[in-house]
Amino acid sequence: EPEVTQTPSHQVTQMGQEVILRCVPISNHLYFYWYRQILGQKVEFLVSFYNNEISEKSEIFDDQFSVERPDGSNFTLKIRSTKLEDSAMYFCASSEEASPYEQYFGPGTRLTVT
Amino acid sequence: AQSVAQPEDQVNVAEGNPLTVKCTYSVSGNPYLFWYVQYPNRGLQFLLKYITGDNLVKGSYGFEAEFNKSQTSFHLKKPSALVSDSALYFCAVRESGAGSYQLTFGKGTKLSVIP
Repeated sequence: EPEVTQTPSHQVTQMGQEVILRCVPISNHLYFYWYRQILGQKVEFLVSFYNNEISEKSEIFDDQFSVERPDGSNFTLKIRSTKLEDSAMYFCASSEEASPYEQYFGPGTRLTVT
Repeated sequence: AQSVAQPEDQVNVAEGNPLTVKCTYSVSGNPYLFWYVQYPNRGLQFLLKYITGDNLVKGSYGFEAEFNKSQTSFHLKKPSALVSDSALYFCAVRESGAGSYQLTFGKGTKLSVIP
């Protein structure tokens, strides 16, 4: 069964550094998403991406965040200058269509900012 | 704004007994409702969804959920629990026709099935 994959599984970085989290969505999916889960809190939506542009973003997704689909398979989330409060599990998801198709999630990248 | 409440942080059930994990939601219009399960060190795995039609939805691994519009609930059920069902369960909602694709999740319910 096709899966969403994410790399790395764990990333440790120092405050102020840039990080790039990588995702490979399911191959025939058209919509891509990033969510995050701070330890002990809810899973929160960050951004959705379709047709090479952002279709929706949350208040969390400020200027420090960006997304890109650099080629036909990868989908990346960049945090330009990490803060301590960016420490979280970041989940990538993809869906075949937007509505009402379910989103399939990757295993997550645990980001630790020190 | 849409929201989801999972009133129980943890549910314990004996193996072989029926299980229920509760979820209530709030949206302005009609809901699309989803249940996901998370095993340790794994991503969120889709279980089932309600879009429209029959209020009882069947999903993976013998799980089902009942949509109740008047009570704005979407409780997850299974007639006979297995130890392997022990995991973290998330209910999620999005509003149909709102032009928004983001899922809003509950905080999750930890299910422990006791042998």
